[in-house]
Amino acid sequence: GQQLNQSPQSMFIQEGEDVSMNCTSSSIFNTWLWYKQDPGEGPVLLIALYKAGELTSNGRLTAQFGITRKDSFLNISASIPSDVGIYFCAGHRPGNQGGKLIFGQGTELSVKP
Amino acid sequence: AAGVIQSPRHLIKEKRETATLKCYPIPRHDTVYWYQQGPGQDPQFLISFYEKMQSDKGSIPDRFSAQQFSDYHSELNMSSLELGDSALYFCASSFLAGDTQYFGPGTRLTVL
Repeated sequence: GQQLNQSPQSMFIQEGEDVSMNCTSSSIFNTWLWYKQDPGEGPVLLIALYKAGELTSNGRLTAQFGITRKDSFLNISASIPSDVGIYFCAGHRPGNQGGKLIFGQGTELSVKP
Repeated sequence: AAGVIQSPRHLIKEKRETATLKCYPIPRHDTVYWYQQGPGQDPQFLISFYEKMQSDKGSIPDRFSAQQFSDYHSELNMSSLELGDSALYFCASSFLAGDTQYFGPGTRLTVL
């Protein structure tokens, strides 16, 4: 079953606004990854987090690995129209030798110019 | 930089037919993963291979099988296709199991 709760499910914002989305779980994760997916395309890696408390930026994107290892957030600053898409969090659970990723349900972002 | 290559990009099959999807990982990546994504869903893990051996198995139907070859490319074989198999199928690769996964563009399978 679903082990990652991602919110919000969708967001409609004005160009230039900041965006925040997050993922939570009742279980701990060893890594957190954030991907962006355009319709009909493969997920594209945005940020990878490997350590509890880690805060990492990639341009206008900032993500953090929660200190409890049960959550992560992604912030997008000064949104632009090309930020439109579906954002997924994903993670590896401890003991998962095969590297299987568990995904959140996704956040669909719409940006109004 | 080289990315994961998947072929074909689109595939249309009839019910009960078979399909073979191919995945070519990023050079020097030794681990491949297969995911299935239904409309409006998040990707669901099917199976993974590390150094040509199956390393993990998810909710993959018995009608599906996969393998990884000596050049590290992988093939997902799907038999007795059902309407519900229509989905996007993604391959991802990483350098070592559990490392950061990079996804291919996907194969859109439509079963009629």
